Amino acid sequence: RKEVEQDPGPFNVPEGATVAFNCTYSNSASQSFFWYRQDCRKEPKLLMSVYSSGNEDGRFTAQLNRASQYISLLIRDSKLSDSATYLCVVNTPGTSYGKLTFGQGTILTVHP
Amino acid sequence: GAGVSQSPSNKVTEKGKDVELRCDPISGHTALYWYRQSLGQGLEFLIYFQGNSAPDKSGLPSDRFSAERTGGSVSTLTIQRTQQEDSAVYLCASSLSGFAYEQYFGPGTRLTVT
Repeated sequence: RKEVEQDPGPFNVPEGATVAFNCTYSNSASQSFFWYRQDCRKEPKLLMSVYSSGNEDGRFTAQLNRASQYISLLIRDSKLSDSATYLCVVNTPGTSYGKLTFGQGTILTVHP
Repeated sequence: GAGVSQSPSNKVTEKGKDVELRCDPISGHTALYWYRQSLGQGLEFLIYFQGNSAPDKSGLPSDRFSAERTGGSVSTLTIQRTQQEDSAVYLCASSLSGFAYEQYFGPGTRLTVT
């Protein structure tokens, strides 16, 4: 089983749609969770951290379910500029530093 | 301020040749990471440097891969006797410290082995 699994998509949605991505992680000892965004042929950039109580940043909402080892990202009112690959990222337990494990990413295309 | 820079941006090499990839982290960032991203794949951790401490080399796929970080700043990833399966984008990232989870990535070096 992969340490971090995501539905690779692609998700093709019209502008204004709401879209949700899911991610599962295998190590129950993981404590820190993130969503990174990667535009086509660009480097990944931190989109948002995921907190236990869930958190929102504008049109983006992240949720964590520790019992199910499940993370989600909800994007409301999709924009063309949201088209990118969304990477689910989890800290790697058992290391003495902030080692991260990246999922393979979910591709989102928002069309007019 | 200046972000993470990497050079070259693209490298085409023949199978069997050695290549060197360079990473210049954000000034003041003590932690430096190398990753590899193959087409359609997630980021594969290669190596981690923290200041002048011994690196975590656990992700290096074979002994053809090595990396160094001189003076706690610039890092070089060397691949000897390149193989076609080494073709990928090599990404470098830095963070404020080894405990800081936000990693800032460079634009990557796209390596093609022919």
